[in-house]
Amino acid sequence: EAAVTQSPRSKVAVTGGKVTLSCHQTNNHDYMYWYRQDTGHGLRLIHYSYVADSTEKGDIPDGYKASRPSQENFSLILELASLSQTAVYFCASRDISNERLFFGHGTKLSVL
Amino acid sequence: GDQVEQSPSALSLHEGTGSALRCNFTTTMRAVQWFQQNSRGSLINLFYLASGTKENGRLKSTFNSKESYSTLHIRDAQLEDSGTYFCAAERGGSAKLIFGEGTKLTVSS
Repeated sequence: EAAVTQSPRSKVAVTGGKVTLSCHQTNNHDYMYWYRQDTGHGLRLIHYSYVADSTEKGDIPDGYKASRPSQENFSLILELASLSQTAVYFCASRDISNERLFFGHGTKLSVL
Repeated sequence: GDQVEQSPSALSLHEGTGSALRCNFTTTMRAVQWFQQNSRGSLINLFYLASGTKENGRLKSTFNSKESYSTLHIRDAQLEDSGTYFCAAERGGSAKLIFGEGTKLTVSS
């Protein structure tokens, strides 16, 4: 089973502050993704990456930046956190050979 | 934009019974994946399908690309099957997976 580790598991941030969410995968997957989930809803794609040093915009990229410095690591950056960015954030990686998507345990972000 | 519509939004089953969950797509999709989100919030990959049917224990999933839908059948439901089930689909030539809003399943004794 793929291992995707997110840190921190939870975070409280202040409005206007900078937040960095980290994701690390140990299975040599090429694709990585960041999704957000609001309570009672599905997942929406923020950014994704096919390969190290390259990122792509997802469906809701505004207010977020992504960084993929290596194949194993994918970060999500909120330069100026806002109340509306309170959510649970999931990182995922994808196995090209069987195409299945594997998720980390999520980061619960509260912006106050 | 492309949409994934899941139904029903909520479902209650007694232990030992079964039912089907459905996803309809507003455009032709290349593949679909099904996930269970458990009570701790973890997302577990159940199936990946590019066509046809796959079965795993008490779960069976079908994907019909031509008619733009996928189903997940649960039989002999157990308490641990409770959770929210999501489907996610992607178009050809894209690595973006679009999620439905989920079906919240409650299994009771």
